[in-house]
Amino acid sequence: DIQMTQSPSSLSAYVGDRVTITCRASQSISTYLNWYQQKPGKAPKLLIYAASSLQSGVPSRFSGSGSGTDFTLTISSLQPEDFATYHCQQSYSFPRTFGGGTMVEIK
Amino acid sequence: QVQLQESGPGLVKPSQTLSLTCTVSGGSISSGSYYWSWIRQPAGKGLEWIGRIYTGGSTNYNPSLKSRVTISVDTSKNQFSLKLNSVTAADTAVYYCARDPYYGSDRFDYWGQGTLVTVSS
Repeated sequence: DIQMTQSPSSLSAYVGDRVTITCRASQSISTYLNWYQQKPGKAPKLLIYAASSLQSGVPSRFSGSGSGTDFTLTISSLQPEDFATYHCQQSYSFPRTFGGGTMVEIK
Repeated sequence: QVQLQESGPGLVKPSQTLSLTCTVSGGSISSGSYYWSWIRQPAGKGLEWIGRIYTGGSTNYNPSLKSRVTISVDTSKNQFSLKLNSVTAADTAVYYCARDPYYGSDRFDYWGQGTLVTVSS
C-alpha cells in the first residue's frame, strides 16, 4: 500500500494568514493526488484533484501543487469557514489511501 | 444535483454482518460514468477506503478487508450496497458512500452524509 503522510498534523492560524499543508507519498504517484476538507460531523468535500485542479465551486484561495512524492495544499488567505481538517488521498494505485489529516484551528 | 444517502442499522453485534445501502438521487447509477465507493472513518481517526463497484459489476476491494467485504449494485433501485461480515469492535466507524468519476482523474466528488455503525453486544 502507498502510505500518505501529512504535516503538520495540526496548526493554528489567524484569519487572513497564508497556510500550507504538506502531503508526502511513500512512492511516486505522479499527480494522482486529491485534497478534501472535512468539518466536524460532516462528510469530506473535494477541493483539489489531480494535484492542482480546482473542483468546481471551490474558492480560488485554495490551490494545490506537486508531483511525484511531495504535494502541497495552500490557502492564500484563511477565512473563518476554512477552519477544518484537510485530507490528502492518492488515486495512483489500489487500495486508495488517505493521509492522517491536518486540523486547521483558529489562533 | 446528485445526492447520496446511506441507510442501515446503527448497531451490529460482534461476529454478525454489517449491511448498508447507498441510495443515489439526481442521476442514474447505471449511466456508466462513475464508480461507486464505500469509505469509513473511526471516531477521531483517518479515512479508510473499503472498495468500489462499477455498474458493469466489476469491483475493487481494499486487501485488508477483501475477505470480509462484498459490494453490490441494484440499478433498478438506483442503489449500491456494502456487506461486511464477521465484524468486531474495530469495524465501528462512520461509513460513507461516495461517487468516483470513471473518466479522468479518480476522485471522490460527491459523498453521502455518513452513517455511524457501532459494533457492540
